[in-house]
Amino acid sequence: EVQLVESGGGVVQPGGSLRLSCAASGFTFDDYAMHWVRQAPGKGLEWVSLISGDGGSTYYADSVKGRFTISRDNSKNSLYLQMNSLRTEDTALYYCAKERLYSSSNWFDPWGQGTLVTVSS
Amino acid sequence: QPVLTQPPSSSASPGESARLTCTLPSDINVGSYNIYWYQQKPGSPPRYLLYYYSDSDKGQGSGVPSRFSGSKDASANTGILLISGLQSEDEADYYCMIWPSNAPVVFGGGTKLTVL
Repeated sequence: EVQLVESGGGVVQPGGSLRLSCAASGFTFDDYAMHWVRQAPGKGLEWVSLISGDGGSTYYADSVKGRFTISRDNSKNSLYLQMNSLRTEDTALYYCAKERLYSSSNWFDPWGQGTLVTVSS
Repeated sequence: QPVLTQPPSSSASPGESARLTCTLPSDINVGSYNIYWYQQKPGSPPRYLLYYYSDSDKGQGSGVPSRFSGSKDASANTGILLISGLQSEDEADYYCMIWPSNAPVVFGGGTKLTVL
């Protein structure tokens, strides 16, 4: 069974840093691109970042570019999101998600349960 | 970055059908995109339901009942999620998504479906 378990969330002051982790199991981790998607309280979904299976390619939403860094350790089946210069608008539940690919279609399945990041003074 | 427009809410009675829409901005053609749909129940992560490009290019998520289906209305530049034979367990938020080439993933704002 594929499992994604996020951790590392918490309360941090504006301008602070936090590192999220996502532990993956049940599949060959380095065969798949991975994503972070966030959801502010009571709001919709916002894609944050993507990393290729070998870690060689990364992409970011404009809202986090230059502040967040996605990485992975395939030897540990783990995905990370280093978040620096945090802002109150970064407050959200952060999900990691596995990318599925079929023909020219890509989607997220499954998603982890999420880890909550609260940026507040 | 395109904005996908979803009605904030929709409702229907058990056994009826619910038609949830996802309207693309006028400068991008729904016919050129896969439309993906996710279901999210309170306190749970999103669940992938299906994607729809055309009647010959579509896919259902694992374990997703066939009463969930996708389509497009080209005249309205809209992707559609049709849920037939509504059940109380279908009450949830539904999000559409597109992934333009060489551009970030975009989600719609979500529709809260109430089963009356």
